Order: sequence, then structure tokens, then C-alpha cells
Amino acid sequence: AQSVTQLDSQVPVFEEAPVELRCNYSSSVSVYLFWYVQYPNQGLQLLLKYLSGSTLVKGINGFEAEFNKSQTSFHLRKPSVHISDTAEYFCAVSEDQAGTALIFGKGTTLSVSS
Amino acid sequence: GAVVSQHPSWVICKSGTSVKIECRSLDFQATTMFWYRQFPKQSLMLMATSNEGSKATYEQGVEKDKFLINHASLTLSTLTVTSAHPEDSSFYICSARDELAGGTQYFGPGTRLTVL
Repeated sequence: AQSVTQLDSQVPVFEEAPVELRCNYSSSVSVYLFWYVQYPNQGLQLLLKYLSGSTLVKGINGFEAEFNKSQTSFHLRKPSVHISDTAEYFCAVSEDQAGTALIFGKGTTLSVSS
Repeated sequence: GAVVSQHPSWVICKSGTSVKIECRSLDFQATTMFWYRQFPKQSLMLMATSNEGSKATYEQGVEKDKFLINHASLTLSTLTVTSAHPEDSSFYICSARDELAGGTQYFGPGTRLTVL
């Protein structure tokens, strides 16, 4: 069975600082990995996804993530955050490229302050 | 990107009553929609997969007679919480699959249900 662990429930950072949101997964089959962002009172928006190829994936809003198969990780990074990046971030895994059957982590709250 | 709407955005009801939540894909057709439930500080849990013109597929542990799903058209799926109880209070999120976009799921903004 697949599972996703987001190691940090809350990550407070100052504006313009770098940030890393951690995600580890477990699966016995090939996986496809996703990061979603949820702003207050809004639905989930896809940030980026890893399907195959280069292990470094670039997404929207300056975010990127690196797939590490040996460490079963897919950590999300941004070199310099903005106040507007304050949101809930979800890591998810799926057995198909379209992300149909998504298994979500519990989420990480990123709080950016000035 | 594609837009998915939900209505209502929040609802308060009395215990024992039924509540219907709508999920609409506004600018694409979706043969498949999904219903998730999200508890505070928890991840999204898939409740069921809604297929246009056929019966929904429920995840293990989800009561199909309590959470009625109807996917009557290519742009609308409804979730009805029947005989609601306080433990049904939660945030319900739908998503719709856009086949023309490689099957990408687009999520709605969610519906906050509070049962008194």
C-alpha cells in the first residue's frame, strides 16, 4: 500500500528566506509524485509533479522539488519565499501519471512573515 | 486552468436532516469526479469516485447509503449527506478529471459542513 509522510506540520519562515517542505513516501510499485497548494478557502492547485526523467522538477510560483528514489523523498523547495506563499501544502502519490487515485500526506502549513 | 466550483461553500444543518453538495466543472466535461473529505489538520481522504451515467465507487469504510453520489451529467456531480450527524461535520472537496488534459484532476474550493 502507498503512503505519504509530511514530516513537518508547520513551517514558519521569514520573507525572502529559503524553505524546504519535506515529503517521504512508501510504495511497492512505480510512483508518480505531486505537490499541491491550498490557499485559505480555496481548492487545491497543482504546484508540480514528477512522472519520469529528470529528478529535479520545476513548478509554478518558483517552487521546485527533487525526487530521490533511494531516500524515497520528494522535498519541495523555494529559494526565497513571499508573504503570498503562506498556505497549506500537500504532497501526494499516485500509481498513474494522471494522479487519478491520489494518496495525500497530512499537509504542511507554511507561514511566511515579514 | 480549468475551474471546478462547489455549492454551497458552507452549510449548517440540524442533526437528522440531509444536505446536498454540488460539484461542477465549468469549462470542461468530466466523466469522472472524485469526492474527498478533509478533517482539520488532516489530509484529504478519498471517499468515492463518481462516474457519469453509472454508480459511484466507494472507498472501503465509506457508507454508500449515507453518502449518496449522483453524476447525472458530464459537468455535475452531487454528494448528499443523508441523516446527518455531528460526526459528519467536515470539509468536503470534489475534483473533476479532465480527460483532454491527460486526466489531470482539478479541485473545487470545498464545502464546509457543520451539523448541529
